[in-house]
Amino acid sequence: AQTVTQSQPEMSVQEAETVTLSCTYDTSESDYYLFWYKQPPSRQMILVIRQEAYKQQNATENRFSVNFQKAAKSFSLKISDSQLGDAAMYFCAYRSLNNNDMRFGAGTRLTVKP
Amino acid sequence: DVKVTQSSRYLVKRTGEKVFLECVQDMDHENMFWYRQDPGLGLRLIYFSYDVKMKEKGDIPEGYSVSREKKERFSLILESASTNQTSMYLCASSLGTPVEQYFGPGTRLTVT
Repeated sequence: AQTVTQSQPEMSVQEAETVTLSCTYDTSESDYYLFWYKQPPSRQMILVIRQEAYKQQNATENRFSVNFQKAAKSFSLKISDSQLGDAAMYFCAYRSLNNNDMRFGAGTRLTVKP
Repeated sequence: DVKVTQSSRYLVKRTGEKVFLECVQDMDHENMFWYRQDPGLGLRLIYFSYDVKMKEKGDIPEGYSVSREKKERFSLILESASTNQTSMYLCASSLGTPVEQYFGPGTRLTVT
């Protein structure tokens, strides 16, 4: 079974600075999807960004971008120009193409300091 | 926008009680999921359903059952609540695989 590892339980960043959250995964599949989800203190989980494994180009969404290294099975999230509203729990997730199985990492709690 | 709602934000139940957690989505999604979220463990899949009356076990189905009588509604049932089921429960839905899932606000269940 696939596993997802987020090695940073907590991270902090100064407002307007850049922070990178790490995620690694283990799989024998060649095609899959990777996601970053954000869970603010209000608890509604929302999608931040999605990456298809067959695409070499890294996904970007405004201030959020990923560094997808397929060979290394690494999928980090970079948040540029951090804002107070970025403070949340961030989960990395892996989704197989073959089934409904979605695997989540343990999460990284991001604090943004004013 | 997709809307996934859960019946309660906070719930306190006693050991041995039967507990129902309800989830409703308004976007005609085929797939619905129940997860529990615990600190340091992330989200773990309890059950999912890919159609009405269809269900499949996830990673931690023991002590839980589910019901999906209508496409928009997916219920999680704790037949006899125990203290180790104290957790945050998240419902999600998706249109198909492997599209992203949309989550509800969560239910914080405490079993005393």
